[in-house]
Amino acid sequence: DTEVTQTPKHLVMGMTNKKSLKCEQHMGHRAMYWYKQKAKKPPELMFVYSYEKLSINESVPSRFSPECPNSSLLNLHLHALQPEDSALYLCASSQVGRGRGYEQYFGPGTRLTVT
Amino acid sequence: KNEVEQSPQNLTAQEGEFITINCSYSVGISALHWLQQHPGGGIVSLFMLSSGKKKHGRLIATINIQEKHSSLHITASHPRDSAVYICASRTGNQFYFGTGTSLTVIP
Repeated sequence: DTEVTQTPKHLVMGMTNKKSLKCEQHMGHRAMYWYKQKAKKPPELMFVYSYEKLSINESVPSRFSPECPNSSLLNLHLHALQPEDSALYLCASSQVGRGRGYEQYFGPGTRLTVT
Repeated sequence: KNEVEQSPQNLTAQEGEFITINCSYSVGISALHWLQQHPGGGIVSLFMLSSGKKKHGRLIATINIQEKHSSLHITASHPRDSAVYICASRTGNQFYFGTGTSLTVIP
């Protein structure tokens, strides 16, 4: 199984709502990533979890709260978002290692619209 | 931070043409990745390179570590190759993405 799954595929939420994005993989990868992608731009790294611990937080506002409950699951909790947070949110996973690095596998993304 | 530049930004080709997309990066890396993103969002990893050349079907990727440059070639291009191609440099678990090349192959 070389698949990363993300739910939901689409999400529309108001600025006062609380919602969560979910990501799952069963490849035994111990690094998981959240990216944000605006239209016609490359993905921007938000968070990296390595062995279920947050290892990189790219100065993301606190209205985005990541969680890695186990080695297969990654959540992104959303609260009090702004319309400019509307984007495609991509999850990815890879093995962990130094040196030559490992291939990333991406999920299909969640298309988020904040109204 | 690793600066990753891609060229061209946009590319239109006739079906059957040979296509080259270039990528340059500014500092040493663990690996260089080529990714493909179709409309609708899904990203597929095409290649991971740390030296030399790799081939998969009609796709070929090369990297020159000394010159900090990589190329992605598509032979006998087809309309289904239309997508955005992104190169990304990797150091440890940190990825730096290029701005992408939007390829359109016309039948």
